[in-house]
Amino acid sequence: GAGVSQSPSNKVTEKGKDVELRCDPISGHTALYWYRQSLGQGLEFLIYFQGNSAPDKSGLPSDRFSAERTGGSVSTLTIQRTQQEDSAVYLCASSLHAGGGGELFFGEGSRLTVL
Amino acid sequence: GDSVTQMEGPVTLSEEAFLTINCTYTATGYPSLFWYVQYPGEGLQLLLKATKADDKGSNKGFEATYRKETTSFHLEKGSVQVSDSAVYFCALNSGGGADGLTFGKGTHLIIQP
Repeated sequence: GAGVSQSPSNKVTEKGKDVELRCDPISGHTALYWYRQSLGQGLEFLIYFQGNSAPDKSGLPSDRFSAERTGGSVSTLTIQRTQQEDSAVYLCASSLHAGGGGELFFGEGSRLTVL
Repeated sequence: GDSVTQMEGPVTLSEEAFLTINCTYTATGYPSLFWYVQYPGEGLQLLLKATKADDKGSNKGFEATYRKETTSFHLEKGSVQVSDSAVYFCALNSGGGADGLTFGKGTHLIIQP
């Protein structure tokens, strides 16, 4: 597609429910990144994919968070048993390839609110 | 580990004023440095970058110079416009395996007519 597409744009859920956030990167981009943007906290790196593999999962906050990427394209970030502190904007970005000099192309984000 | 510190906001200026947003960093090796901008309701987009010491990145009237001796990458613009109102993020890439960016917390800039 023309840009990085994320869905849903807004999600409100109840504490304890599972949520899935989707990211569709720019066509041909092999590297895909997930960040979390919390109020007053800046952007927190969560995980990145090169192709379908995730060499760096160090940023995932807990084992309730997981992500996968299939076909070298779409990625899903899953949060199980959501907690109120999970409320944030989840940003996805892609780049042509890892080691591409840091120019990442971002989606508009998925705003998650956990009640 | 790597970190980026930038001035807290919001920063409020009048149109045509001179802008400086400070950014300093801590990193191993020789990182590449970036400024990203997030306009209201939009995703982050790259504003400018510099990949080695003394390089100057520039775009849309904004400039930033990579200062290795002071580990800084301050963003400047000579005359701001209302349309520059946005959140500005300083970031670095140390070139490690993740290739992800380490971001500062962002500076909210408000330009008043």
